[in-house]
Amino acid sequence: GAGVSQSPSNKVTEKGKDVELRCDPISGHTALYWYRQSLGQGLEFLIYFQGNSAPDKSGLPSDRFSAERTGGSVSTLTIQRTQQEDSAVYLCASSLASLVGAYEQYFGPGTRLTVT
Amino acid sequence: GNSVTQMEGPVTLSEEAFLTINCTYTATGYPSLFWYVQYPGEGLQLLLKATKADDKGSNKGFEATYRKETTSFHLEKGSVQVSDSAVYFCALYLPNSGYALNFGKGTSLLVTP
Repeated sequence: GAGVSQSPSNKVTEKGKDVELRCDPISGHTALYWYRQSLGQGLEFLIYFQGNSAPDKSGLPSDRFSAERTGGSVSTLTIQRTQQEDSAVYLCASSLASLVGAYEQYFGPGTRLTVT
Repeated sequence: GNSVTQMEGPVTLSEEAFLTINCTYTATGYPSLFWYVQYPGEGLQLLLKATKADDKGSNKGFEATYRKETTSFHLEKGSVQVSDSAVYFCALYLPNSGYALNFGKGTSLLVTP
């Protein structure tokens, strides 16, 4: 079946604008994760959803970042008033999650965000 | 806190050379350990994993052994191919320490013909 998809694949925005990044997880996967991959920084965890709720938002770097998930499926990561340091690749992953961490996380191709 | 340290890249090898990418970890507890691979233009894919000490994960000719005494999970392959050129990420997961994988910074591998 289809893997995790993300859109857009690339986004260039001006500093101060808001952006929305979308993730479509694998059908039936109840767990969804957002990570950020910055140059030379590896992958940084942002937020985790189990169904529509987010029990772990600890990785969101500031209150400009928010995310939601509806219908236990699609998730949107919103960055308000973007700053240049927000430039990164934003990765989404999903997994079966009856036991968190026990199942493989499947990653999407990412959205490359560039803030000018 | 929990963390993963990988050798700095880029690593450049000739085809059929032996590959080792070092990974060590710090964790309070007994983590599960993973290697993910990111081919150019693609998302991360799980390459192999090990869930307890002395376990060996293997896939596509790659191997890594969970060494508790040295807190290491080094990735090895006996004979690399050009198609193995990618970025390799070591990661750990600990129950009761959050919900996410804890990744190293990645090691870029370039295999030349």
